[in-house]
Amino acid sequence: NAGVTQTPKFQVLKTGQSMTLQCAQDMNHNSMYWYRQDPGMGLRLIYYSASEGTTDKGEVPNGYNVSRLNKREFSLRLESAAPSQTSVYFCASSELTGGYTGELFFGEGSRLTVL
Amino acid sequence: DQQVKQNSPSLSVQEGRISILNCDYTNSMFDYFLWYKKYPAEGPTFLISISSIKDKNEDGRFTVFLNKSAKHLSLHIVPSQPGDSAVYFCAASGNQFYFGTGTSLTVIP
Repeated sequence: NAGVTQTPKFQVLKTGQSMTLQCAQDMNHNSMYWYRQDPGMGLRLIYYSASEGTTDKGEVPNGYNVSRLNKREFSLRLESAAPSQTSVYFCASSELTGGYTGELFFGEGSRLTVL
Repeated sequence: DQQVKQNSPSLSVQEGRISILNCDYTNSMFDYFLWYKKYPAEGPTFLISISSIKDKNEDGRFTVFLNKSAKHLSLHIVPSQPGDSAVYFCAASGNQFYFGTGTSLTVIP
């Protein structure tokens, strides 16, 4: 049982390059999320998808785009990477979003460095 | 503006003693609170949760207390073990999940 799988685990980009972080979950969850973790900032929500076909901005969406490809997959794209996007990115999923939703299940993280 | 705050970046405790991790929140509409544990190079994992209609939830060595009037929750770990050394995040659930900045717990053998 893989849970939440993120790829790649590590990536180094030059400023201005683009890339896509992939995420897939096998728990049949409706909601999926992308967070970034920075020192002293905790986990901040970038975008989320409450259900297949919907996406919404979180706390720090600027510079990112997302696609909910199907119920299993939720990708995060950086169109023109900037050094400020150097971070550890976590994908997560949950059965529902809002109110009592139970727990979030996280992937292992993707460490991105933008030079 | 940070809606969930963990004001202690780090905490050191002797093995066998109690660890108390604190968390404050600002939004009285949050209806569910969770604690996550994170080891280096791994994703956060769920530890324990509490509904806003309760004031205490216990699971083995872990107990979460909620004081709604003070908008404060705490996680008690008794007894603390070296394997508990990790970063602990509190989170609150409204229309989405909001996380605190984390507290790094070190349990000294």
